[in-house]
Amino acid sequence: GAGVSQSPSNKVTEKGKDVELRCDPISGHTALYWYRQSLGQGLEFLIYFQGNSAPDKSGLPSDRFSAERTGGSVSTLTIQRTQQEDSAVYLCASSSRTESLYNEQFFGPGTRLTVL
Amino acid sequence: GENVEQHPSTLSVQEGDSAVIKCTYSDSASNYFPWYKQELGKRPQLIIDIRSNVGEKKDQRIAVTLNKTAKHFSLHITETQPEDSAVYFCAAIPSGNTGKLIFGQGTTLQVKP
Repeated sequence: GAGVSQSPSNKVTEKGKDVELRCDPISGHTALYWYRQSLGQGLEFLIYFQGNSAPDKSGLPSDRFSAERTGGSVSTLTIQRTQQEDSAVYLCASSSRTESLYNEQFFGPGTRLTVL
Repeated sequence: GENVEQHPSTLSVQEGDSAVIKCTYSDSASNYFPWYKQELGKRPQLIIDIRSNVGEKKDQRIAVTLNKTAKHFSLHITETQPEDSAVYFCAAIPSGNTGKLIFGQGTTLQVKP
């Protein structure tokens, strides 16, 4: 079946502009995660959704970052007033969480954000 | 919060040799430890995982060991092949009910033919 998809694959923006990144999880997956991967770094947790609610937003770097999820499916990560340090690959992952929280997380291809 | 340290950051081996990557974690309540492989320009993919009630797990040429007392776990790849070249990330799920992954910094493995 279809895996996790993300759009756009690449986004170049100017400092100060707002951007929206989209994630389509695997159908039926109730858990959705956003991570950020800076150049040469590991993956950094940003936010976790279970259904449409976000019980863990602890990884969001600042109040310029927000995310929502609708219909228990698509999620959008919004970055307002982008800064150069926001440049990174933003990865989305989904998991079924039907039996335990240790189910595999399936990652999307990521959105490469470049802030000029 | 949970912190995961991974080393080495780069590893170069000759084809056919073994490769070992080590990780340590800080949250003693962590009990799930996956390993992800990320090829250049591609998404991370799970290659093996281990839960805290198991000390070792094997899948063909790949094995993972876990020492809960010492809070460290390792990935072992035997008979390495050029297609094993990639970045490998260890991770842990900290205490709590979110299932979020805390990742190590990654190891770039190069297998020379």
